[in-house]
Amino acid sequence: DAGVIQSPRHEVTEMGQEVTLRCKPISGHNSLFWYRQTMMRGLELLIYFNNNVPIDDSGMPEDRFSAKMPNASFSTLKIQPSEPRDSAVYFCASSQQGSVGYEQYFGPGTRLTVT
Amino acid sequence: QKEVEQNSGPLSVPEGAIASLNCTYSDRVSQSFFWYRQYSGKSPELIMSIYSNGDKEDGRFTAQLNKASQYVSLLIRDSQPSDSATYLCAVASYSSASKIIFGSGTRLSIRP
Repeated sequence: DAGVIQSPRHEVTEMGQEVTLRCKPISGHNSLFWYRQTMMRGLELLIYFNNNVPIDDSGMPEDRFSAKMPNASFSTLKIQPSEPRDSAVYFCASSQQGSVGYEQYFGPGTRLTVT
Repeated sequence: QKEVEQNSGPLSVPEGAIASLNCTYSDRVSQSFFWYRQYSGKSPELIMSIYSNGDKEDGRFTAQLNKASQYVSLLIRDSQPSDSATYLCAVASYSSASKIIFGSGTRLSIRP
């Protein structure tokens, strides 16, 4: 079975440019999570969706960040304009809400470098 | 107080010994507990889930849960160099829907 798919795997961009990260959750999962990981701050939850609806976006650092989930099989995280401090690894994870433990499965991540 | 606390390590264990990783959590209504393993440059990988008090064994891994003490641990028997990684403890409560809270991780190093 295919796991969580993320693209691109690596992104290098210049400050001020728009960045769009993409995620395809595991088929049948109805919860999707966007995380950011840095050495300084560890793994941070940015936003999550249940049944395509954003439930908690309190982790989104500022208005430059936005996320959408137009259907059950696709989500995007957009940064506009990007800044060097946005450099991090961004993970997408999915789970099946209603299962016993809400086990989350992570994608391979997108390593973002903003110069 | 952090919601999920772990010793950051590094924890150094000789090959073949038992590695013991510990985690405490603050939310008393937490119901689900997870251990993730993360190799350097890779994504977190779920290795154990535990929902009831007591022990749960899976191969060389044993998860232990004590809800009264708000404590969860992971034991790795016969540690191998391939077990060297960062181990993340994660906790969920029904009140938070499907959201889980991660600890900052413990870096484990198995020395040959």
